[in-house]
This record gives sequence, C-alpha cells and structure tokens, in this order.
Amino acid sequence: GQNIDQPTEMTATEGAIVQINCTYQTSGFNGLFWYQQHAGEAPTFLSYNVLDGLEEKGRFSSFLSRSKGYSYLLLKELQMKDSASYLCAAQSGGSYIPTFGRGTSLIVHP
Amino acid sequence: EAQVTQNPRYLITVTGKKLTVTCSQNMNHEYMSWYRQDPGLGLRQIYYSMNVEVTDKGDVPEGYKVSRKEKRNFPLILESPSPNQTSLYFCASSLSSGSEQFFGPGTRLTVL
Repeated sequence: GQNIDQPTEMTATEGAIVQINCTYQTSGFNGLFWYQQHAGEAPTFLSYNVLDGLEEKGRFSSFLSRSKGYSYLLLKELQMKDSASYLCAAQSGGSYIPTFGRGTSLIVHP
Repeated sequence: EAQVTQNPRYLITVTGKKLTVTCSQNMNHEYMSWYRQDPGLGLRQIYYSMNVEVTDKGDVPEGYKVSRKEKRNFPLILESPSPNQTSLYFCASSLSSGSEQFFGPGTRLTVL
C-alpha cells in the first residue's frame, strides 16, 4: 500500500514564503504530484517531480528526495489568492493513477 | 476548450434510488478515474479506467459501478445509494499514467 503524510493546516502572512512538506512510503515509486484546490473547486495541477532536486515555476517550486521519501512545495511572495488546499500525490508503478494525501489547508492572512 | 464535464453538479436523493453521474472529456485521454472527497480524508480513488472496456477498482469501490464503452465517457453508477455515499465526487482524465490529471468541476451528492 501507500502512505502519504502532509500537515493538515498551515498559516502564513501575505508576502512571506511558506514550505509545505509531504512524506510518502510507496513501493515502486515513480513520481510526486502537487495540486492546488480552492474551496469548492476542482484540483488543478501544479507540478510533477520524477528526479531528485528542485524545480521552479514562477512563485512556486517543488522539491523531491527519492531516497528520503520526501517532497516539499515552496510558495514565495504569498498572495491572498494562494489560500487553498495543497494536495500531494504519489504515483507508483503498480498503479495507473496517483494516490493522494489528505491535503494541507493554507491560510494566507494580511 | 479542453475540459472534463460532470453532470449533475448537485444532487439530493433518497436511499436506494439508483443514480448515474456522467463524466465526459474531450482531450482523447486514455485514463479516466473517479474520486470521492470527504472532510479530513482527502481524495480517495473509487474506480479508474485505462482504456475502453478496461476498468479497475480503486481504494473505495464498494457501492459503486462504472463503465467505459466509449473513450470520452466514464459514468459512475450508484445502484442503491446510502447516506454514507454523501460526498463530493470528482472525475478526472489523463493522457497516460504519470501525467497530469484534469479534473471535472465536481458533483456534490447528498443521500437522505
């Protein structure tokens, strides 16, 4: 089976930087997704890491360490609209679709 | 516009009354899947399909059925809904295993 763990809730200040961590235990690991989900809306894709290291996309970056079973999503220059749930999902070779963690609710305050 | 559509968006029904939630994608994707999302539990896989006439169970398939007769459509069927199936349901599609999933807008189902 798969076990994916991420914090339930985080708060941060507008303009700051926040790091959302995700740890996973899965056999046949292929890669790690991050999705953003605003309240009442569908999840939308942010990133997919297959190799170790940091990948940057504008204000959002995602990091993966395969040996440690660890990933993080880094959000810079936080804006109020970044208040949302951030979902970590692991893709394994034994499954055709990824398994999601329970999500981290990020609250950005002025 | 590339999209995944679901209908209905909202449904209130009673225990035991069969219902179908439709899902359609216009991106010619091979993979389609159904999730349910409940507070504190995140997105959980119900069923998924790798191609026409090929489906498999996810983590929580009990009480649900699916079919994939055409590539674009992947309906979710609840033969005899029960209150514990009250949830927010998402359909998703992707080009292949390990590629980005595109999600539908969600269907909020209440079973009384």
